[in-house]
Amino acid sequence: DADVTQTPRNRITKTGKRIMLECSQTKGHDRMYWYRQDPGLGLRLIYYSFDVKDINKGEISDGYSVSRQAQAKFSLSLESAIPNQTALYFCATSEQAGTSQYFGAGTRLSVL
Amino acid sequence: DQQVKQNSPSLSVQEGRISILNCDYTNSMFDYFLWYKKYPAEGPTFLISISSIKDKNEDGRFTVFLNKSAKHLSLHIVPSQPGDSAVYFCAARSGNMLTFGGGTRLMVKP
Repeated sequence: DADVTQTPRNRITKTGKRIMLECSQTKGHDRMYWYRQDPGLGLRLIYYSFDVKDINKGEISDGYSVSRQAQAKFSLSLESAIPNQTALYFCATSEQAGTSQYFGAGTRLSVL
Repeated sequence: DQQVKQNSPSLSVQEGRISILNCDYTNSMFDYFLWYKKYPAEGPTFLISISSIKDKNEDGRFTVFLNKSAKHLSLHIVPSQPGDSAVYFCAARSGNMLTFGGGTRLMVKP
């Protein structure tokens, strides 16, 4: 089983819909992250959390929200999806801040 | 403006030869640098890293070089193998966060 699991793996939705992407991990790490990947731009940080009561905005948090329900779970929500949120989304965990991170397999989201 | 740049979107190399992937950065506060490899339909996986107090780190076929004065790092893979074909991302740490470059697609031809 994967250490970092993202669901769903693929999702197509319509403009204006609310959508939630889920991430769970079995690595026991406190730190969790959400990134989006766009062609040529690499991975950009959306939100990160260092424990259950800690939520921090990343580089591109507008239009997104997160919830850290438990140490092992970190979900990303798009309250009203728009087409430029079409991207590949990755969840990651780390043992210490800024060190090597462990990534899930990604969720490919298309907003029509 | 991107603080970490990988100016070559793609690189093609013959099997057995050396692959050199480059990365430039602008933020002097970066203190730790990492390389990740990504295969299609998978998440990035950590490959090798280097602290800003070093100028070289080697792990098997992979070597990372850091030139702080030039704000440049490079990843050398030698010898290159077809299984090395993937997208490579460099990343730099400042405080609690990693900043990623745009990636370079490496193709190793048999």
